[in-house]
Amino acid sequence: DAGVIQSPRHEVTEMGQEVTLRCKPISGHDYLFWYRQTMMRGLELLIYFNNNVPIDDSGMPEDRFSAKMPNASFSTLKIQPSEPRDSAVYFCASRSGGGTYEQYFGPGTRLTVT
Amino acid sequence: EDKVVQSPLSLVVHEGDTVTLNCSYEVTNFRSLLWYKQEKKAPTFLFMLTSSGIEKKSGRLSSILDKKELFSILNITATQTGDSAVYLCAVKYGGSQGNLIFGKGTKLSVKP
Repeated sequence: DAGVIQSPRHEVTEMGQEVTLRCKPISGHDYLFWYRQTMMRGLELLIYFNNNVPIDDSGMPEDRFSAKMPNASFSTLKIQPSEPRDSAVYFCASRSGGGTYEQYFGPGTRLTVT
Repeated sequence: EDKVVQSPLSLVVHEGDTVTLNCSYEVTNFRSLLWYKQEKKAPTFLFMLTSSGIEKKSGRLSSILDKKELFSILNITATQTGDSAVYLCAVKYGGSQGNLIFGKGTKLSVKP
């Protein structure tokens, strides 16, 4: 299996622009998670899906952030408009519906907003 | 407020030393505690602990959970430079399936 795939790996954009991050979970995994990691705040859970349905988005920082999962093999995290404080590494992770709770992380997207 | 606190925040040791990393937590409806190792990229899974007092072991790494005192430790014996990484502790909690809260990590540097 190729593991969790994220794109792009790096994104540099100007303040005010729309940014879309993409994730392909591991085939057969029922859960998909979006995280943000910064030096100041560590690793934070933004939102997670179960069977393509958003279950908990309480970690989404504000309305500029939105996430979708139109099917079991694809999810997007969109920031519009982007701000410099959104600069971070964004990870996508997935796991199966079994009881291990082990999540498999993608390589991350490093976002820089200037 | 639910929280996970790791200590120390950073640690520098020499090859061959033994280190102990700490993770304490305060959450509602604890389910499990997970340890991850993060080098330059994404975190990789090390252990999942759900029961107190049962040591999980993998090579030179071991971990144990104390659900009464609400903490876990991760031990690394005979450290090597390849052990240099940030070690993350995460706690699964609550009534829904996917709530995980991460600590800020312990940055371990192993010098030759």
